[in-house]
Amino acid sequence: EAQLLESGGGLVEPGGSLRLSCAASGFTFSSYAMSWVRQAPGKGLEWVSSISSSGDSTHYADSVKGRCTMSRDKSKNTLYLQFNSLRAEDTAIYYCAKFLKWFYSPFDYWGQGTLVTVSS
Amino acid sequence: QSALTQPPSASGSPGQSVTISCTGTSSDVGGYNYVSWYQQHPGKAPKLMIYEVTKRPSGVPDRFSGSKSGNTASLTVSGLQAEDEADYFCSSYADTNTVLFGGGTKLTVL
Repeated sequence: EAQLLESGGGLVEPGGSLRLSCAASGFTFSSYAMSWVRQAPGKGLEWVSSISSSGDSTHYADSVKGRCTMSRDKSKNTLYLQFNSLRAEDTAIYYCAKFLKWFYSPFDYWGQGTLVTVSS
Repeated sequence: QSALTQPPSASGSPGQSVTISCTGTSSDVGGYNYVSWYQQHPGKAPKLMIYEVTKRPSGVPDRFSGSKSGNTASLTVSGLQAEDEADYFCSSYADTNTVLFGGGTKLTVL
């Protein structure tokens, strides 16, 4: 069964940077598109970004465009999200999620999330 | 990239049925049959319950069903059970390879 384990969250000051990681196992990582989804405390889910199975296509929500870079390393079965110029409104649990097939398909596996807190 | 619209709350007694709506536009819900529903219990990651409007993943009880009409999708939970009490989020594929989520509906089993 697929497993996703996020790491890299923590407390960061406004304007700071952070790199989130997601270690994947239990499936052929290089065959599936992946995504990051976040959830602010007590709020709903918000899609952040997606990356194709090969890594050559990425897409971002308007709220993070220009501040985020999503990437993947197939040799390490790991997904990354480099987040710069962090704002208070970026405070959230960040989930790594696997697409069932491609960008149009649902997220069939989710990690447990990593908490990012942006505060001075 | 506006969120899909869901009612903030819904409720029903054990054994009853409840339907949760999810309204979008012709660029997302109405334009594609790629609507999904997720269940989230407090402190847990979301769980896929319905995908491609009506399909249920293996292991999801057939008490959960989905439908769509125009720009509005719906999730129906029949024969409500205590363990169905959770937050439910709809999502849809949208133009240019983006994903939209609804604001979520808190389902209370009375």
